[in-house]
Amino acid sequence: ETGVTQTPRHLVMGMTNKKSLKCEQHLGHNAMYWYKQSAKKPLELMFVYSLEERVENNSVPSRFSPECPNSSHLFLHLHTLQPEDSALYLCASSQAPLRGYTFGSGTRLTVV
Amino acid sequence: KQEVTQIPAALSVPEGENLVLNCSFTDSAIYNLQWFRQDPGKGLTSLLLIQSSQREQTSGRLNASLDKSSGRSTLYIAASQPGDSATYLCAVQGIKAAGNKLTFGGGTRVLVKP
Repeated sequence: ETGVTQTPRHLVMGMTNKKSLKCEQHLGHNAMYWYKQSAKKPLELMFVYSLEERVENNSVPSRFSPECPNSSHLFLHLHTLQPEDSALYLCASSQAPLRGYTFGSGTRLTVV
Repeated sequence: KQEVTQIPAALSVPEGENLVLNCSFTDSAIYNLQWFRQDPGKGLTSLLLIQSSQREQTSGRLNASLDKSSGRSTLYIAASQPGDSATYLCAVQGIKAAGNKLTFGGGTRVLVKP
């Protein structure tokens, strides 16, 4: 399998649940990213793991917690989310710093 | 702080017309600029990547130009088809950006009518 794979494709969760989004890249890239896409808003960077350096967007609430156990796998752990967290969550990878990004198909998250 | 703007926000053309999509960015210190296509509810598909030292890139009916000094890029799609209907996003990778992050524009939503 090639490219960037995200699972699950769709997720519905209650506000008290705990769930995780998974991303795997088979491209040998050295950086992975989580982006959030809400309706009618530009894509927002949430987290970066690049050359083993974690870079955070300080506006991301602590109910989102990333984990990058190795250069091929990235997780986004979710707990006590709010309905406004419903969005499309996109994972991407790149060979930093000069190569372009490759995106996964996304996880459509609905918080009820 | 890098800001990326795409004009127009939406575009509707009859099949066969050429499409011209514009992207502007405020900080010219970039590694590259990338154009993506997004279908409703789907992920992003990379169309073209232009390195900062390049002036343009071509792939089939697509051609993208980059004028780094003026902070502009244009995506041309020749002889549009209904299958070209999608949202097109441009993004820049800034040299000063922490973690080599991409900064995205708001996108241009394109509808090609048969």
